[in-house]
Formats: sequence, C-alpha cells, structure tokens
Amino acid sequence: GNSVTQMEGPVTLSEEAFLTINCTYTATGYPSLFWYVQYPGEGLQLLLKATKADDKGSNKGFEATYRKETTSFHLEKGSVQVSDSAVYFCALSDPTGGGNKLTFGTGTQLKVEL
Amino acid sequence: NAGVTQTPKFQVLKTGQSMTLQCAQDMNHEYMSWYRQDPGMGLRLIHYSVGAGITDQGEVPNGYNVSRSTTEDFPLRLLSAAPSQTSVYFCASSYGGTSPETQYFGPGTRLLVL
Repeated sequence: GNSVTQMEGPVTLSEEAFLTINCTYTATGYPSLFWYVQYPGEGLQLLLKATKADDKGSNKGFEATYRKETTSFHLEKGSVQVSDSAVYFCALSDPTGGGNKLTFGTGTQLKVEL
Repeated sequence: NAGVTQTPKFQVLKTGQSMTLQCAQDMNHEYMSWYRQDPGMGLRLIHYSVGAGITDQGEVPNGYNVSRSTTEDFPLRLLSAAPSQTSVYFCASSYGGTSPETQYFGPGTRLLVL
C-alpha cells in the first residue's frame, strides 16, 4: 500500500537558519505530493504541492522538488522565522483511487527560536 | 465563505455513549472526508464521500458511520464510543474529480472518551 515516511521531530532551529525536513514515499503509480502545515490549535492548510516528477512546489519561501528516482519530496526553506513554528505533514494522493484520498506522514514539529 | 466548519470543538464522552460530529462546507465541494489525528501516527482516513448519497470507507472505519444527504454536510457518528476513539477529528473537503485537488480542513474536534 501507500506510505509516507518523515523525519522524526521535534526540530528546533534558530531564526534565519536553513530548514530541511525529509520525506520519502512508497506508492503504486504516480502520486501527487503535498506538504501541509498545522499551526497550533488550527486545522491543516496546504503549503505546497507537486503533481509530477521534477516539479518544484513553492510557497512562502518554502520549496520541495518531486524526485521520482529517490521517491522523495524534501521540504526546504533558506531562512526560517519564529512564525514558521508549526507541525509539517508530507502527504501523497492515492493515484489509483482518484486524486483526493490522502496518505499522511506522521508529521514533523518545527520550533524556531530567536 | 466560512469554509469548512466543525462542531463541537471539544467533547467528553463516557464509554458506550453515542454522538455525532458535525461538518459543513459552503464551497460546493463534491469530495468530503473525515480523518483522525493521533500522536505519532499522522492523520488517517476514516470515511470519505465523492458526492451526495455516496460514501466509502477509508483506512480506519470501524466504530464510525457516515452519511451524505446534502452536498454541504457530512456528519460522523460514533455509535458506541470507546477509549481508543480518543483523538482529534478533522473534516476536509475538495472539488473532487480525478486530478489531485487541494483539500481544505476544518479546525478539528477534540474528543475524549473516558
């Protein structure tokens, strides 16, 4: 079946540090890949997505590239801010059951300190 | 637009009690789904619906029922609550179809079963 593996958290960084959160996946077919973010006390919201190999999704300074050869979709940001503190989820859409069923990773908590 | 709304925000139940978690969206989305979020396990799909009158099971459907009588509403019913159902529940919606669409999440319902 489909699965998503994310690096364990929590990740604690100083403001302006470089961020990488690793994500790898297993899926049959060609899934689309997503990063969702959950701020404290809120629901999830889409951060970025990529629908085919070599696509790069980007938003708010975050970016991730769909790497089919390594089945990865790592999230990066060049300079994090305190306001980026949240839980980040990597997810894929089920390529066999339509585009709306999501399989999530376990989430990575990011804490950014001054 | 209110987006996706969920009620209640928090609920405490005793084992064996029943209750309904409400979810509504005002975006005319065809696809709606329910996830549960547990520590260390990410989000797991409980049930989903591709349109009014059509529902299907997700990854963890046992102990939960759903119905979809209108496009706007997608309630989740716990028939006989168990402590294992203590979790945070999120409802989500999207336009549907076969292409991967952005899913919009509600703020969540935190459920404690004693």
